[in-house]
Amino acid sequence: DAGVTQSPTHLIKTRGQQVTLRCSPISGHKSVSWYQQVLGQGPQFIFQYYEKEERGRGNFPDRFSARQFPNYSSELNVNALLLGDSALYLCASSATGANIQYFGAGTRLSVL
Amino acid sequence: TQLLEQSPQFLSIQEGENLTVYCNSSSVFSSLQWYRQEPGEGPVLLVTVVTGGEVKKLKRLTFQFGDARKDSSLHITAAQPGDTGLYLCAETLGGSQGNLIFGKGTKLSVKP
Repeated sequence: DAGVTQSPTHLIKTRGQQVTLRCSPISGHKSVSWYQQVLGQGPQFIFQYYEKEERGRGNFPDRFSARQFPNYSSELNVNALLLGDSALYLCASSATGANIQYFGAGTRLSVL
Repeated sequence: TQLLEQSPQFLSIQEGENLTVYCNSSSVFSSLQWYRQEPGEGPVLLVTVVTGGEVKKLKRLTFQFGDARKDSSLHITAAQPGDTGLYLCAETLGGSQGNLIFGKGTKLSVKP
């Protein structure tokens, strides 16, 4: 079975632009979470979605938004990009009631 | 918000040496997870510890959970180059399975 897949793997944007990152969870997983990992730091929680509804939100500005589709895939959108948004964006999925999250390899975003 | 402190931040050792890394918090953990993240990949769950005083072994890795559930350690015996990576501890935020708080990690390099 395929693991969590994220696209694109790398992305370069300039300040002020908007970006959309995509995530496909493991088949059967209904929960998707997004994390931002800045170089030299641990991942920081951004959003969790379950059954297309937002279940949790981390301490990120409103420039960050996300959604989950009927097939449980998810998109993370970031508007008005800042240099500080440069990071590895990780998506994780988990099965209902399970305490294990499976992470994708991430999307490396560089903002110039 | 619970703050997880990991130490040391960096560790460079020779193959065959033993090492211990630590994860501490000012608050009591409900449960604690250890992850390993290799370059270009997402974190992979190694173990979950729940009970104070618990010890779990995974081949050459030994995980301990403090009696007061405010600290944890990971000991690696006879480290190998394949153990190289970023070791992260994480706590579930607010009991939700989708919201993890990570420490900054310990970056381990094992030289042949």
